[in-house]
Amino acid sequence: AQSVAQPEDQVNVAEGNPLTVKCTYSVSGNPYLFWYVQYPNRGLQFLLKYITGDNLVKGSYGFEAEFNKSQTSFHLKKPSALVSDSALYFCAVRDPTTISNFGNEKLTFGTGTRLTIIP
Amino acid sequence: SAVISQKPSRDICQRGTSLTIQCQVDSQVTMMFWYRQQPGQSLTLIATANQGSEATYESGFVIDKFPISRPNLTFSTLTVSNMSPEDSSIYLCSAKQRTGASTDTQYFGPGTRLTVL
Repeated sequence: AQSVAQPEDQVNVAEGNPLTVKCTYSVSGNPYLFWYVQYPNRGLQFLLKYITGDNLVKGSYGFEAEFNKSQTSFHLKKPSALVSDSALYFCAVRDPTTISNFGNEKLTFGTGTRLTIIP
Repeated sequence: SAVISQKPSRDICQRGTSLTIQCQVDSQVTMMFWYRQQPGQSLTLIATANQGSEATYESGFVIDKFPISRPNLTFSTLTVSNMSPEDSSIYLCSAKQRTGASTDTQYFGPGTRLTVL
């Protein structure tokens, strides 16, 4: 079974400092990994994904994430945090080799990390 | 990317009643999904809405409680039936791009915030 862990419920970062939101995963095959952001009273917005290739993936709003297979991690990073980055962040995984009732389409989400950027 | 809209954006309902949530995508998509996000929690998949066939439900969700329709490649509805306060959640519609590849991104609608009294 595929699973995702976001070990930190809350992360606080001063504006202008680098930020990291952690994510680890567990799958039986090679994972497809995703990051989404949820602003208050809004749906989820796609930030970036890793499918294959370069381990460093760049996405929207200056975010990037690094896939580390040996550590089974996919941490989200940004060099300089903005107050507007304050939101709820979700990591998600899809294992294309796992066939379920949904074929190989099931996307499993972590519990979310609330990021607060302090002015 | 796909742009997804949902109606209603929020509703307050009495227990025992039913609410139908509509999801519209601005392009044809292969797969549509319905998720529930209970207060302060992560997303839980309810079902996959398949065009031209019955929806496929995740363990713990049943068709009688959450009937789903998918009449075409751009539209789906989720009904929350015989509601109780435990059904108070945000319900999110999601869709994958037309290509259908497993590498495709899932996009999400803005959600429907349901409160059951």
